[in-house]
Amino acid sequence: EAEVAQSPRYKITEKSQAVAFWCDPISGHATLYWYRQILGQGPELLVQFQDESVVDDSQLPKDRFSAERLKGVDSTLKIQPAELGDSAMYLCASSSDRGQPQHFGDGTRLSIL
Amino acid sequence: GENVEQHPSTLSVQEGDSAVIKCTYSDSASNYFPWYKQELGKRPQLIIDIRSNVGEKKDQRIAVTLNKTAKHFSLHITETQPEDSAVYFCAANSGGSNYKLTFGKGTLLTVNP
Repeated sequence: EAEVAQSPRYKITEKSQAVAFWCDPISGHATLYWYRQILGQGPELLVQFQDESVVDDSQLPKDRFSAERLKGVDSTLKIQPAELGDSAMYLCASSSDRGQPQHFGDGTRLSIL
Repeated sequence: GENVEQHPSTLSVQEGDSAVIKCTYSDSASNYFPWYKQELGKRPQLIIDIRSNVGEKKDQRIAVTLNKTAKHFSLHITETQPEDSAVYFCAANSGGSNYKLTFGKGTLLTVNP
């Protein structure tokens, strides 16, 4: 069964450093999502792509977070500079189209020291 | 925006008993309601979903019911097994064209042998 791939699985960095996460969605999936999940809470949408276009980034802290999906396939989420409060699990998901079931990757656990 | 509330936050049952988790949503335009199971340290996995044109859906020991008038939906697990122990999240989409999902805070289900 096809899966969403994410890397790295774990990332430890110091505050004020830059950090980047990568996601490769299920082949053919047009919609890609980045979520942040704080321990003990449900995932919260940061940004949603439809092909290469951002269609929702209302919850993305744009002063420090950026996301891109240049060719409409894989995607990168970046944080610069990282802050202590950014420690969380960052999950990527994809779906064949908007409104279709979303499938998650294993996530990147980020710890900021 | 959409607000999803989930109860209870923790649920402990004996093996073989049934478990019920309830969610309410606020956006009357919501029409898609998935449920995810997340084991410790693993990705959220879609276990069942329902769209607003049906009131109930079953898949073996799992069922979901939807009451659009009251804006609530529930997950029912029958004949629980220890491997059902996990955190369960409900979600509802917003009524906009992007079908953004809002998740509940999760229910930690423990099935005692």
